[in-house]
Amino acid sequence: DGGITQSPKYLFRKEGQNVTLSCEQNLNHDAMYWYRQDPGQGLRLIYYSQIVNDFQKGDIAEGYSVSREKKESFPLTVTSAQKNPTAFYLCASRSTGQEGEAFFGQGTRLTVV
Amino acid sequence: QKEVEQNSGPLSVPEGAIASLNCTYSDRVSQSFFWYRQYSGKSPELIMSIYSNGDKEDGRFTAQLNKASQYVSLLIRDSQPSDSATYLCAVNTGAGSYQLTFGKGTKLSVIP
Repeated sequence: DGGITQSPKYLFRKEGQNVTLSCEQNLNHDAMYWYRQDPGQGLRLIYYSQIVNDFQKGDIAEGYSVSREKKESFPLTVTSAQKNPTAFYLCASRSTGQEGEAFFGQGTRLTVV
Repeated sequence: QKEVEQNSGPLSVPEGAIASLNCTYSDRVSQSFFWYRQYSGKSPELIMSIYSNGDKEDGRFTAQLNKASQYVSLLIRDSQPSDSATYLCAVNTGAGSYQLTFGKGTKLSVIP
């Protein structure tokens, strides 16, 4: 089955810990995205990548880091510098070209305990 | 900062009516526009994309784009209770960029 897989579905983090959220796609898409969604809010862009080994900061990149070593994978690390990380994290991928449509994984719900 | 604006709602319509959802954007060079539906606790699902001025129809859904007014809308005909969800407008912002910016969404309730 082609698609985007995020793991884990639920994640709990202790204060001061770094955690990494996984995102894998087998759609052969060039572009990949990470968004954060808070309750009752829209999607805010954290990072996006248009090609392997390249990525761009979005509107709320502080406290987050990413890598894009493979086309299929775009992991997001939530560092201890992110003071309010509890949120719903969504990964998306998109084919080449501005007309490419983006598709989302099922999301990871991160909670700080 | 490139912005995408939507009325947060809630927008309530009776079953069988037309629901009209609106979105404005600030980046004049934007070329690609998308509508997503998101049920509570779930990830967004793509409904439609539109790239040219005018209307684009897909079943009960019609997207309308007016680049001069920087306005995109989604009409849902014969609204059903299952259409109750939050509708997100997304815009590819920035020339030569794949940055995809979302509005905050409009919550739609279809009343049986």
